[in-house]
Amino acid sequence: SYDLTQPLSMSVALGQTARIPCGADNIGSKNVHWYQQKPGQAPVLVIYRDYNRPSGIPERFSGSNSGNTATLTISRAQAGDEADYFCQVCDSTTAWVFGGGTKLTVL
Amino acid sequence: EVQLVESGGGLVQPGRSLRLSCAASGFNVDDYAMHWVRQPPGKGLEWVSGINWNSGRMGYAESAKGRFTISRDTAKNSLYLQMNSLRAEDTALYYCAKGSGRYFDSCDFWGQGTLVTVSS
Repeated sequence: SYDLTQPLSMSVALGQTARIPCGADNIGSKNVHWYQQKPGQAPVLVIYRDYNRPSGIPERFSGSNSGNTATLTISRAQAGDEADYFCQVCDSTTAWVFGGGTKLTVL
Repeated sequence: EVQLVESGGGLVQPGRSLRLSCAASGFNVDDYAMHWVRQPPGKGLEWVSGINWNSGRMGYAESAKGRFTISRDTAKNSLYLQMNSLRAEDTALYYCAKGSGRYFDSCDFWGQGTLVTVSS
């Protein structure tokens, strides 16, 4: 199976930039999607296909993907950005894989 | 407005069966890929199963193969997950999710989930 590796937790100072990595073998060849999940809520898609933002997602959220690492970048971090973030790829035409998730704390 | 409402969860003994339902509104389930994703208490997301837009292809996580079956009913605009031979490790909040397109890609809308507890 295809394994996606994320750090368990990260912290960022208020107003600074958080970069959350998602690592896997040659992940740059796949479309990577990112979800934000706040406590007690369902996940929300924040980035699809590496760097695209759904409508309603602030421009502060951006994504990149190259080589063995995809990255979700959150600029000018706000208290409301505190959440779990999950990366996801299609392992095949009929299978998905999620990363283990990163808990982001805004200090 | 897109809505997904899951139901059918509950407490069930190991080895028994359960059928989850997901009632959709605001779109036609037949026009999109649909998925089930679960989240054990305090843990991360785990994809369970998905079906593409014309039900031509379905996929299952290794943990679900041979025990779970995904299906949909166009007339009822609903998605289902039949779960047999349930195990303690199947205990989780089960989310229904709408695909962003016809095939396996991302999901742009999730329901609020239905809780399944497998315990004697």
